[in-house]
Amino acid sequence: EAQVTQNPRYLITVTGKKLTVTCSQNMNHEYMSWYRQDPGLGLRQIYYSMNVEVTDKGDVPEGYKVSRKEKRNFPLILESPSPNQTSLYFCASSLQTNHEQYFGPGTRLTVT
Amino acid sequence: GENVEQHPSTLSVQEGDSAVIKCTYSDSASNYFPWYKQELGKRPQLIIDIRSNVGEKKDQRIAVTLNKTAKHFSLHITETQPEDSAVYFCAATGDYKLSFGAGTTVTVRA
Repeated sequence: EAQVTQNPRYLITVTGKKLTVTCSQNMNHEYMSWYRQDPGLGLRQIYYSMNVEVTDKGDVPEGYKVSRKEKRNFPLILESPSPNQTSLYFCASSLQTNHEQYFGPGTRLTVT
Repeated sequence: GENVEQHPSTLSVQEGDSAVIKCTYSDSASNYFPWYKQELGKRPQLIIDIRSNVGEKKDQRIAVTLNKTAKHFSLHITETQPEDSAVYFCAATGDYKLSFGAGTTVTVRA
């Protein structure tokens, strides 16, 4: 089954404790991206990757890191999480930017 | 960068009536305009998209129109049904970034 998976689905952590949210797709998509969803703000792009070893900042990259060592995986790293990073995070993949984005199930992160 | 504005933020319609959501974008180089539907507690899913070389596209009860000169595009849902209740997002891209509108919460009243 073609899909995008994310783990964990729910995470409660404390300020400053490094965490990684994994994202994996099995559709051989070149383009992958991370979004955060906050009430009234829609979906805001954090980082995107056009292919292996190619990543770039989206609209809200501060406080986040990503890597794309393999085509199928695109982890999101929060080196020192802060409460303002409490949000719902979605990973997505597509053939290219201007094609349908397939979203993962979402990760609800709470930073206390 | 691209800036996408979406209106209205909430929309309540009677079942069977039409719903219209409008979006404007800032970057004239944008050439792909998708619409996503997000049901409560679920992930966004594409419902329709349009490219800049097309003015209108229909898929059953939903249609999208694009006015490149005015830099706006709209989603039209006809004969609304309870299952159309959701949050709808428009988006635009011309390069490698995808910018979304803030979303419209549509409620279909029975």
